[in-house]
Amino acid sequence: ELQLVESGGGLVQPGGSLRLSCAASGFTFSTYWMSWVRQAPGKGLEWVANIKQDGSEIYYVDSVKGRFTISRDNAKNSLSLQMNSLRAEDTAVYYCARGSHPYCTSTSCYEFSAFDIWGQGTMVTVSS
Amino acid sequence: SYVLTQPPSVSVAPGKTARITCEGNNIGSKNVHWYQQKPGQAPVMVIYYDSDRPSGIPERFSGSNSGRTATLIISGVEAGDEADYYCQVWDSSGDHPVFGGGTKVTVI
Repeated sequence: ELQLVESGGGLVQPGGSLRLSCAASGFTFSTYWMSWVRQAPGKGLEWVANIKQDGSEIYYVDSVKGRFTISRDNAKNSLSLQMNSLRAEDTAVYYCARGSHPYCTSTSCYEFSAFDIWGQGTMVTVSS
Repeated sequence: SYVLTQPPSVSVAPGKTARITCEGNNIGSKNVHWYQQKPGQAPVMVIYYDSDRPSGIPERFSGSNSGRTATLIISGVEAGDEADYYCQVWDSSGDHPVFGGGTKVTVI
């Protein structure tokens, strides 16, 4: 069974740190882009970060650049998100998601454009 | 940054057809994906590449995309279709995915 299982969420004070993990199973983890997507309470989905299969390309949403670090360990089928200098606005459910569905424009091609497998999410609350 | 606009809510009677729109500049030139999210659950892909269905998704779910509007169509709506629905595209100018704000579908 294709599965992603997140862990590591919890309550943290503003300015604190937290490390999220995502364990993948049921597919060849090393052949997929992976992402983190978050959802603030009562709000919509927001992409946070992407990482290429070998970790050679990484992208972040502007609001977390310099504070969050995405990484992966293909030997352990594991994805991580190190979150530092946390703010109240980072409070959200964080989902691990598998990248899928290549997409080409007239000038560029991208190895993924959608998310076909999602974890159940882990809640991060930033509050004093 | 590319913006996708969805209506906040859509109400539909059981057995009828729900149409959820997703507007964006020249969205017809992009591939649109749709996700269903039930309360307390993770999103599930229901449509990819504008109109294709993943394995296990009922034929009642279909999609279209042209001009400024992509549409998710749910035919013969059932009570179990009550959920939030999100459209999503790849923003090639920013090299990242973009989600619409979501539409809550209520079966009345």
